[in-house]
Amino acid sequence: ILNVEQSPQSLHVQEGDSTNFTCSFPSSNFYALHWYRWETAKSPEALFVMTLNGDEKKKGRISATLNTKEGYSYLYIKGSQPEDSATYLCAQGTGGFKTIFGAGTRLFVKA
Amino acid sequence: GAGVSQSPSNKVTEKGKDVELRCDPISGHTALYWYRQSLGQGLEFLIYFQGNSAPDKSGLPSDRFSAERTGGSVSTLTIQRTQQEDSAVYLCASSFLASLHNEQFFGPGTRLTVL
Repeated sequence: ILNVEQSPQSLHVQEGDSTNFTCSFPSSNFYALHWYRWETAKSPEALFVMTLNGDEKKKGRISATLNTKEGYSYLYIKGSQPEDSATYLCAQGTGGFKTIFGAGTRLFVKA
Repeated sequence: GAGVSQSPSNKVTEKGKDVELRCDPISGHTALYWYRQSLGQGLEFLIYFQGNSAPDKSGLPSDRFSAERTGGSVSTLTIQRTQQEDSAVYLCASSFLASLHNEQFFGPGTRLTVL
């Protein structure tokens, strides 16, 4: 049974702090790892998709890394801003085109 | 259309009633997914459609749940004899291809409350 886990469940930081969260997943049967941002009252939006061990992706102040051998991915936010407040979801693509989502990390950035 | 749309945005129903949730994917997207998020839980895969292929229904929680996709576009998720545990946000997503690498574009969701 596949299980994608995210930690922490929630995180409160001050504006300007840098932060990171973890997504762990079974390393077997790996196809792809996705990160999405889900703001309150909006739809989840894709941030990154990574497929290769050692992949690193960056979009502005947000970056992500992937380790498929040990089954984890980190999402980093540099200099958090209030508009970064959202739930960050990771999801593993598996065989059969299913995407297994974690429960998310809810980030609160205080001005 | 500009994005994935879903209707209704909110639905309150009584236990035992049937409900239909609608999803309009992005034009040209061949893959369509249904998920639900129950309170405090992650996104739970329900079903996906890819073109004219048979849908993958393996995530449907019971035989009270069914979905269809007409003409390769609009999809309807039907829940018969609703139960309180069906209360959740139901999200639809589409992508250009049903590929594990392809970004999924999500709709705003339908919040279902079963009293």
